[in-house]
Amino acid sequence: AQSVTQLGSHVSVSEGALVLLRCNYSSSVPPYLFWYVQYPNQGLQLLLKYTSAATLVKGINGFEAEFKKSETSFHLTKPSAHMSDAAEYFCAVSDQGSGNQFYFGTGTSLTVIP
Amino acid sequence: DAMVIQNPRYQVTQFGKPVTLSCSQTLNHNVMYWYQQKSSQAPKLLFHYYDKDFNNEADTPDNFQSRRPNTSFCFLDIRSPGLGDAAMYLCATSPRTRAFETQYFGPGTRLLVL
Repeated sequence: AQSVTQLGSHVSVSEGALVLLRCNYSSSVPPYLFWYVQYPNQGLQLLLKYTSAATLVKGINGFEAEFKKSETSFHLTKPSAHMSDAAEYFCAVSDQGSGNQFYFGTGTSLTVIP
Repeated sequence: DAMVIQNPRYQVTQFGKPVTLSCSQTLNHNVMYWYQQKSSQAPKLLFHYYDKDFNNEADTPDNFQSRRPNTSFCFLDIRSPGLGDAAMYLCATSPRTRAFETQYFGPGTRLLVL
């Protein structure tokens, strides 16, 4: 069975500091991994996804994530936080056994301190 | 721009009074999904359509039903809303049901049950 664990339901960083949001997955077959961002009262917007090509994936708004099979991780990073990055971030996994069904983590709320 | 549209953005209904939420898409995608997202929780898949084929999640209550009259539109019907059904309802689409496909989300409808 597939599952996603996001460590830290709330993360606070200072403006300009490194953003690191953690995601660990479990999957019995090679996974596909996604990071979505959700601003208040809005739907989910895709930041980036891993589909078994390059392990370092670059996304929108300066975010990137690295797939590490040995650690079963897909952590999201951004070198310098901006106030506009404050939002809820969700990691999701799917695999060929689940078709297009996403298994979401419980989310990490990012606060950016001026 | 191609997009997923949900109307209304906010819906207030009374306990036990049927309510319908709507979703439309201009992406011409084959698959449409309905998710329920309660406060501070991950989105939970209720069901999805692949073309006209309806796929219900095993734990989706019978109180929730869906209709897809054509490619562009999909409706979520809640037959007798309870207080526990108050949530954000997200519609999403994808081209196919392959595991690597991105899901594209609408802005959501927030349902309040009085």
